Amino acid sequence: GENVEQHPSTLSVQEGDSAVIKCTYSDSASNYFPWYKQELGKGPQLIIDIRSNVGEKKDQRIAVTLNKTAKHFSLHITETQPEDSAVYFCAAPDISNFGNEKLTFGTGTRLTIIP
Amino acid sequence: DTEVTQTPKHLVMGMTNKKSLKCEQHMGHRAMYWYKQKAKKPPELMFVYSYEKLSINESVPSRFSPECPNSSLLNLHLHALQPEDSALYLCASSRPMGSDTQYFGPGTRLTVL
Repeated sequence: GENVEQHPSTLSVQEGDSAVIKCTYSDSASNYFPWYKQELGKGPQLIIDIRSNVGEKKDQRIAVTLNKTAKHFSLHITETQPEDSAVYFCAAPDISNFGNEKLTFGTGTRLTIIP
Repeated sequence: DTEVTQTPKHLVMGMTNKKSLKCEQHMGHRAMYWYKQKAKKPPELMFVYSYEKLSINESVPSRFSPECPNSSLLNLHLHALQPEDSALYLCASSRPMGSDTQYFGPGTRLTVL
C-alpha cells in the first residue's frame, strides 16, 4: 500500500516568515495530493490540493509543489500569521489497492507561529 | 457549501452501553467515510460507503457497526466498546467518481469509561 512520510513533525516560525512542510510517497500511481489543516478540537479542513498533471498550485499565501519523479510534494505558507498555527497533514491515495477511496495520511506537522 | 455535520459533539459511554454517531451531508456526495483519530495521530480510515454500499472495511472490530440509510446519512453504531476506543471519530464525504476531495466533519469526541 501507499506509504506517506511527513517532515518536520514540529515547526516554529516567526510571524511574517515562510513555512515549508515536506512529504514523500511510495506509490508512483498516486495522482492526487491534498493538504489538510486541523485546529484544536476541529476536523481536518482541506486547504489546498494538487493533481499529478501539474507541478505547482498557488492560492494566495499557500502553495503546493509536486515532483513526481522524486515522489515528493511540499506545502509552502508565506507571510505566516498567528491563525496559521495548527497541525497540517499531507495525504495521498492508496491507488494500487483502493483506487481513490482510501487516503493515506502523513504523521502531521505541528506549526506554531511566534508573534 | 462544503459542510459535513456530526452529532453528538461529545459522547461519554460505559462499556455496556449502546450508542450511535450520526453524520449528514447535503452536497450530493455519494461516498462517505468513518475515520478514527487518536491524540497527536493522523486520521485512520475505518469504513467507506460508496453509493450506499460498504466498499471498504479496514478490519474494524464488530463492536463498531456502520450503516448508510441513504445517500445523505451515515451512522456508526457502538456496542460493548473498550476504553482504548476513546478517540475523535470523524466523518467525511466526497464524490466517488473522478474527484477525490474528502470533506471532513467536526468530529465526535468519544470517551469510553
